Amino acid sequence: EPEVTQTPSHQVTQMGQEVILRCVPISNHLYFYWYRQILGQKVEFLVSFYNNEISEKSEIFDDQFSVERPDGSNFTLKIRSTKLEDSAMYFCASKRAFYLNSPLHFGNGTRLTVT
Amino acid sequence: EDQVTQSPEALRLQEGESSSLNCSYTVSGLRGLFWYRQDPGKGPEFLFTLYSAGEEKEKERLKATLTKKESFLHITAPKPEDSATYLCAGHYNTDKLIFGTGTRLQVFP
Repeated sequence: EPEVTQTPSHQVTQMGQEVILRCVPISNHLYFYWYRQILGQKVEFLVSFYNNEISEKSEIFDDQFSVERPDGSNFTLKIRSTKLEDSAMYFCASKRAFYLNSPLHFGNGTRLTVT
Repeated sequence: EDQVTQSPEALRLQEGESSSLNCSYTVSGLRGLFWYRQDPGKGPEFLFTLYSAGEEKEKERLKATLTKKESFLHITAPKPEDSATYLCAGHYNTDKLIFGTGTRLQVFP
């Protein structure tokens, strides 16, 4: 069964450094998302992306965050200058269509630790 | 603000002991109610989507139901491999899911 893959599984970085989290969505999917989960808290929406542009973003997704689909298979999340509070599990997700009966499929996440 | 609330936070069951998990949601504007399973260190795994009150869906030992203000995930005769965190999420008028905090289920042999 096709799946969303994320790399790396764990990233440790120092405060102020830039990080890029990488995702390969399921190949025939058109809608892409990033969510995050701080340890012990809810899964939170960050951003949605369709047709090479951001369709929606949350208050968390400020100017320090950006997303890109550099080629036909990868989808990346960049954090320009990491803060301690960015430490979380970051999940990439994708779905085939906008309809409700097209469920969101999640990857297994990248655990980001900012020291 | 749209909200999704789950209870209990944690549930310990003996193998074979059936039970239900609860998800309360903001009623206005709900377009779909989702259930996911999350294993430790993994991403959420899709289980069910429910659209309208009275709807039910089943998969193995799990059955999800939807009323006008709540959803239930019924677990019949659970096994240790059903141990996981079960997440409920609402889809409202935007393209994002709003998740509850989850119910952590432990099933003991």
